[in-house]
Amino acid sequence: EVQLVESGGGLVQPGGSLRLSCAASGFTFSNYALSWVRQAPGKGLEWVSAISGGGGSTFYADSVKGRFTISRDNSKSTLYLQMNSLRAEDTALYYCAKTIVGTTEDAFDIWGQGTKVTVSS
Amino acid sequence: EIVMTQSPATLSVSPGDRATLSCRASQSVSSHLAWYQQKPGQAPRLLIYGTSTRATGIPARFSGSGSGTEFTLTISSLQSEDFAIYYCQQYNNWLTFGGGTKVEIK
Repeated sequence: EVQLVESGGGLVQPGGSLRLSCAASGFTFSNYALSWVRQAPGKGLEWVSAISGGGGSTFYADSVKGRFTISRDNSKSTLYLQMNSLRAEDTALYYCAKTIVGTTEDAFDIWGQGTKVTVSS
Repeated sequence: EIVMTQSPATLSVSPGDRATLSCRASQSVSSHLAWYQQKPGQAPRLLIYGTSTRATGIPARFSGSGSGTEFTLTISSLQSEDFAIYYCQQYNNWLTFGGGTKVEIK
């Protein structure tokens, strides 16, 4: 079964840092680009960041550029999101998502269950 | 950034009726348009990609159409499990989502 499982969310103060993880199984991890997508409470979906299958290309939404870093460890089939200088507006449920054909600009056929990040003092 | 606008924000439909959801892009996205369904407390589920291709396991009552800047998701006969929020997403020029359409019971 193809599966993505996020972890690492929690409560953090403004200006703090957090690292999210997404463990994948059931597919050849290195063949697929992956993204992080977030959803603020009661709001819609917002793409955050993407990384190519090999990890050599990374992309970010303007809202997180310079603060967040996406990475992956293909030997561990795990995706990461390092979040620094967190702000209240980063509060959201963070999903990792797998692309259909593997390119970074693609639809997402598999989503994790999400990990909750709350930025508050 | 390509802005995706969905309408209406809320659609009230009776079970068994047809539902038509719209999605407009601020510039052409070719056929690179997907639709997702999200129920409370659940992750989004891919319904349609490439404008009109149903994802694995998606019932035939869901269909997508359009091109360029105007797209439509049609649910031919609403079942109880179809009441949810629907999002469109373009992936022609990076990745942006529409604001969603909530399909509620009339």
